[in-house]
Amino acid sequence: GAVVSQHPSWVICKSGTSVKIECRSLDFQATTMFWYRQFPKQSLMLMATSNEGSKATYEQGVEKDKFLINHASLTLSTLTVTSAHPEDSSFYICSARDPSGGTTDTQYFGPGTRLTVL
Amino acid sequence: AQSVTQLDSQVPVFEEAPVELRCNYSSSVSVYLFWYVQYPNQGLQLLLKYLSGSTLVKGINGFEAEFNKSQTSFHLRKPSVHISDTAEYFCAVSDRFGNQFYFGTGTSLTVIP
Repeated sequence: GAVVSQHPSWVICKSGTSVKIECRSLDFQATTMFWYRQFPKQSLMLMATSNEGSKATYEQGVEKDKFLINHASLTLSTLTVTSAHPEDSSFYICSARDPSGGTTDTQYFGPGTRLTVL
Repeated sequence: AQSVTQLDSQVPVFEEAPVELRCNYSSSVSVYLFWYVQYPNQGLQLLLKYLSGSTLVKGINGFEAEFNKSQTSFHLRKPSVHISDTAEYFCAVSDRFGNQFYFGTGTSLTVIP
């Protein structure tokens, strides 16, 4: 099946710094990628939809200036948490949509990135 | 819009016993249905999915689920669980274009030796 990778798998940073998380589709071209956030013992919440070559679409309540998304190529999307604070500590998961399946395309999820802001 | 309800937040079950994790959904359009498993500090792993065709779907690790359109349910079952099945299980629904996924709140399955 399709593979999606994330880097780094975990990161610890100081409050006020910015952190970039990469999401790559390894064996298919993803025109659309999604970023989710998961708090401990909770479900995944969609943050934004990232389309290659265009601006990301953010869900209501997600600060686009704080969570910068760049989908520069068909295999790479990045999420930058700017001026991170402890409340941004969370598990961030990306997914990529494989359009090659026709009407039955679906999303493939990355392994997640654990962000801890001290 | 779609939504997913997982009625049981925690399910303890003894090893080798059967288990059913419940999932109900609501949608005004045709949907795809999924079950994912998440082990501690890991990402999501697809267990199985229903796209069309047979309503009984078999997945990995001996799991299966049945799509019931009239009851808008997609319950996950396994006839005999193992210790290694202890994990968080998420039911999800998407539209037929694979766009936005809606996840349930998850069910924590604990297998007791």
